[in-house]
Amino acid sequence: RKEVEQDPGPFNVPEGATVAFNCTYSNSASQSFFWYRQDCRKEPKLLMSVYSSGNEDGRFTAQLNRASQYISLLIRDSKLSDSATYLCVVKSVGPGGGNKLTFGTGTQLKVEL
Amino acid sequence: DTEVTQTPKHLVMGMTNKKSLKCEQHMGHRAMYWYKQKAKKPPELMFVYSYEKLSINESVPSRFSPECPNSSLLNLHLHALQPEDSALYLCASSPWAGQQDSYEQYFGPGTRLTVT
Repeated sequence: RKEVEQDPGPFNVPEGATVAFNCTYSNSASQSFFWYRQDCRKEPKLLMSVYSSGNEDGRFTAQLNRASQYISLLIRDSKLSDSATYLCVVKSVGPGGGNKLTFGTGTQLKVEL
Repeated sequence: DTEVTQTPKHLVMGMTNKKSLKCEQHMGHRAMYWYKQKAKKPPELMFVYSYEKLSINESVPSRFSPECPNSSLLNLHLHALQPEDSALYLCASSPWAGQQDSYEQYFGPGTRLTVT
């Protein structure tokens, strides 16, 4: 089983649609959780951190369920510019004490006219 | 300055060459990272430096040799690479490396490496 698993893509949705991505992680000792966005041939960029109480940033809502080891991202009113790959990312502590990010395989979103 | 810079942007090298990738940040971050990303795959962690000391090596072959000369700089020395090592090499940094750190990592634009 992969450490971080995401919905397979691609998701092709019309502009204005609501789309949800899911992610599960296997390491119960994971400490922090993020959604990153990566555009084609670019570096990953932080979209938002994910907190246990749930958090919202404009059209984006993230949820974390530690008991189920499940993370979600909801995008409302999709824009063409939302087209990208969305990476679920989990932070844990490595054996030497350094922080380690583990990335899910990513879900590709294509928003169409 | 909230930027991580990497040089070169592109690198083509032969299997007998020795080259280095460079990464720099001036955000005062104390943790720096090297990742490797193949096409259509997520980034995979290679090395972590915490307070200029190597804290994680994800069983990376010795033909990749990291170096952290100071808190702002991170190098990756390459020697005797194989064609399958061709990938995007990403550097990242984060504010500090404490175990309770929940800060995100900031990524550089990457070096696209081709080994011929």
